[in-house]
Amino acid sequence: QVHLQESGPGLVRPSESLSLTCTVSGDSMTNYYWSWIRQPPGKTLEWIGYVYETDRTTYNPSLRSRATISSDTSRKQFSLKLSSVTAADTAVYYCAREAHKLLDYWGPGTLVTVSS
Amino acid sequence: DIEMTQSPSSLSAFVGDRVIITCRASENIRSYLNWYQREPGKAPKLLIFSASRLQNGVPSRFSGSGLGTDFTLTITNLQPEDFATYYCQQSYSTPRTFGPGTKVDSK
Repeated sequence: QVHLQESGPGLVRPSESLSLTCTVSGDSMTNYYWSWIRQPPGKTLEWIGYVYETDRTTYNPSLRSRATISSDTSRKQFSLKLSSVTAADTAVYYCAREAHKLLDYWGPGTLVTVSS
Repeated sequence: DIEMTQSPSSLSAFVGDRVIITCRASENIRSYLNWYQREPGKAPKLLIFSASRLQNGVPSRFSGSGLGTDFTLTITNLQPEDFATYYCQQSYSTPRTFGPGTKVDSK
């Protein structure tokens, strides 16, 4: 069984960077797309982007190049960095695995609040 | 971006009811449509992929249909554990996009 677990600070100050890590267990990271998705309070799910292998990334243009996703397959982790955060970036952040164009495994999610 | 819409935004139903949720894409997404269930405080769970294929372990009372721009999720014989929010998602292109969700609660 595949398990994903997000980790990182729950509070980030405005204009700083948000950094989250997702640790994968139960399967290899190869041949899958490793995704970040978020859900702001009262809003729907928003796809942030994904990484394939270690260097092929695709991002949501709505984030205006603030997002960087990277992976370390030897440590079975992938990460999200979101720069210049504002209150609008307050959300529950999920990591998930995309296989064959479907998100089949998700982490439990972590709430990140942007506030001074 | 492909915009996804859902209707209704919420509904109330009894255990045992049949529930139908519709999802519309702003352009043709062929059958690249997935449905997820989200219970409060939990991560979304994949129910249906490729518009009509049931994910392993998902009860057969869930079914999906549709092609192109119009899709439906049907829950027959609604069970207490089905009270949740349901999202459609297109995987035809990036950025992946989700519908606004349909909340199903107990009447």
